[in-house]
Amino acid sequence: SQQGEEDPQALSIQEGENATMNCSYKTSINNLQWYRQNSGRGLVHLILIRSNEREKHSGRLRVTLDTSKKSSSLLITASRAADTASYFCATVKTSGSRLTFGEGTQLTVNP
Amino acid sequence: DAGVTQSPTHLIKTRGQQVTLRCSPKSGHDTVSWYQQALGQGPQFIFQYYEEEERQRGNFPDRFSGHQFPNYSSELNVNALLLGDSALYLCASNRWIEPEQFFGPGTRLTVL
Repeated sequence: SQQGEEDPQALSIQEGENATMNCSYKTSINNLQWYRQNSGRGLVHLILIRSNEREKHSGRLRVTLDTSKKSSSLLITASRAADTASYFCATVKTSGSRLTFGEGTQLTVNP
Repeated sequence: DAGVTQSPTHLIKTRGQQVTLRCSPKSGHDTVSWYQQALGQGPQFIFQYYEEEERQRGNFPDRFSGHQFPNYSSELNVNALLLGDSALYLCASNRWIEPEQFFGPGTRLTVL
């Protein structure tokens, strides 16, 4: 069963705008990771946030984690057409354990 | 430094046949995990190999089996293929002590 649920399922924005995707999960976690997938190809690791962290930044990416609400958000600032992809959150319950993915958010950035 | 590689890229089989998919992990990685991704869905964990042993297994039948070799490469075998086994099969590798997984490009399996 899926641990994470992304919201929205699909998001369409204009180049230069910010994109925010949300992820909710059900059980306690060790860490949460965000991945990007272009057109049904392999996944690319974007960022990891541990359960004792609240916010992390990486370039144009900003991730927040609220363990009390069991939710995370991914913000992509100043989006580009090349950011068009599916974005997945994946949770890890204990260190070394499997990734449990959500259904993903399909982001389309229009030039 | 080569990343995770998978072969073949695409594969077409018929129901009842058997298939073997292969994965070479990223250099320096000792752990390999396999995922199945149906169209429009998120990846589902199949199993994980470390030190040539299956360490974790997802909710997949025994028709799905695997192996890890001393050089850390891995194989995924699926017997008695069903139409529902059609999917993108992803291999991911990492160092056992590190949580970030690096994915290969996947093998697209079509079962007719």
